[in-house]
Formats: sequence, C-alpha cells, structure tokens
Amino acid sequence: GQNIDQPTEMTATEGAIVQINCTYQTSGFNGLFWYQQHAGEAPTFLSYNVLDGLEEKGRFSSFLSRSKGYSYLLLKELQMKDSASYLCARGGGGSQGNLIFGKGTKLSVKP
Amino acid sequence: GAVVSQHPSRVICKSGTSVKIECRSLDFQATTMFWYRQFPKQSLMLMATSNEGSKATYEQGVEKDKFLINHASLTLSTLTVTSAHPEDSSFYICSAIDSRQGYTFGSGTRLTVV
Repeated sequence: GQNIDQPTEMTATEGAIVQINCTYQTSGFNGLFWYQQHAGEAPTFLSYNVLDGLEEKGRFSSFLSRSKGYSYLLLKELQMKDSASYLCARGGGGSQGNLIFGKGTKLSVKP
Repeated sequence: GAVVSQHPSRVICKSGTSVKIECRSLDFQATTMFWYRQFPKQSLMLMATSNEGSKATYEQGVEKDKFLINHASLTLSTLTVTSAHPEDSSFYICSAIDSRQGYTFGSGTRLTVV
C-alpha cells in the first residue's frame, strides 16, 4: 500500500516477545499509526507516533525513527488472543487527513 | 468514546442490484468521513473522502458514478454500490476523525455479490 512495507506473516510463541517492523516513504509524513485487525472486523487503534522514540502502552510499545522512515511494534508476553493482523499506517499528508495503510502483518501466536 | 456505527455488517446481493451502506457518528460530528475497501490479504485502500454538504473526493481509479457517496448531515455518510458485480465483493469500512480520539472506524460491511 503506497510504499509502506511490513512483513506479510509472522509466527511467535505464547509468552514470547515479537517485533513487527514497518518502513514507509517519508515524504509528506504526518504521524505513524499501528492498528490491530481481527479477520472480518474493523481495525482497533493501538498506537500513534509523531516524534522519534519509543511509546510504551502496557504490553504493546511502538518505536519511530522519522529520519529512517522506520517504525516497529513490540508485543510482549504474547497471548493467544494477540493472533491478528497488525496494520502500519501513516498520515496521508493530504488536506483531508486520510490514512495510508500497509498490507498488514498476520501474526500467529502458538502455544 | 467516539463511536461510528456502520450498517449493515454483512450483505449478499444479486449482480446488477444496488447496495447502500450507512455510517453514523454517534456522539460527535463528522464533517469528513473516509471510505475504505479491503480485499482479502490486502491493505485498506482509500476509495473516497466524504465531506458534509459537498461532493465527495474520489481516489484515482474509483468510479464516482458506481460508488455514490452522500454526506447530507454531520453524522451520516452513505456509500451506495450501484449495479454491483462479483468483483465488487469486498470489505467496506468507513472512518471519521474525532477531535478527542482521532480516527474512529466503523465495524465494516462484508459485501458479497452473487
């Protein structure tokens, strides 16, 4: 999706830590979002980064490097319910404020 | 919190018929709503931006005469898929921006055209 790249699939073990990377085109950057999406459902907001650094929110953390056009989502103490697609999205930079989404990373958490 | 209600959640229609999808902002006013489409294993792709009281802005490659958008009030936007074909089968989802909570998504509509 418009020069936002993230791995297609990842597998991890319950209780472990997993990092999902995202790279994006830096022109017109207006914030980086992470969403969780279960199949057939709407995306659920996880995090928003506009400045460089790490934002921690419970088991989930998100990191941003604007100069590198790079972000990651870190999930700790994985639970089975964390099995879902994780979407990286950036502000579109347009006047209307739409989001541009990556294709999503399907995470499978195994016992 | 900000809620966007989207209906129907699932719809099956015959080829050639039209389907209307509604999105309502329940506790905030949405001057702008975004309509996305998501095919299996693909990203959410912006179809159009709906503006209250004016014409929608369509993304390149999206037929405005096929996907009719109406945003007649600050709390309601509708997307009508006209003369639906099997290739229009997809997951359609709306979102709006709330000043307090940012982007809020509807629950999505799974359209199947048979």
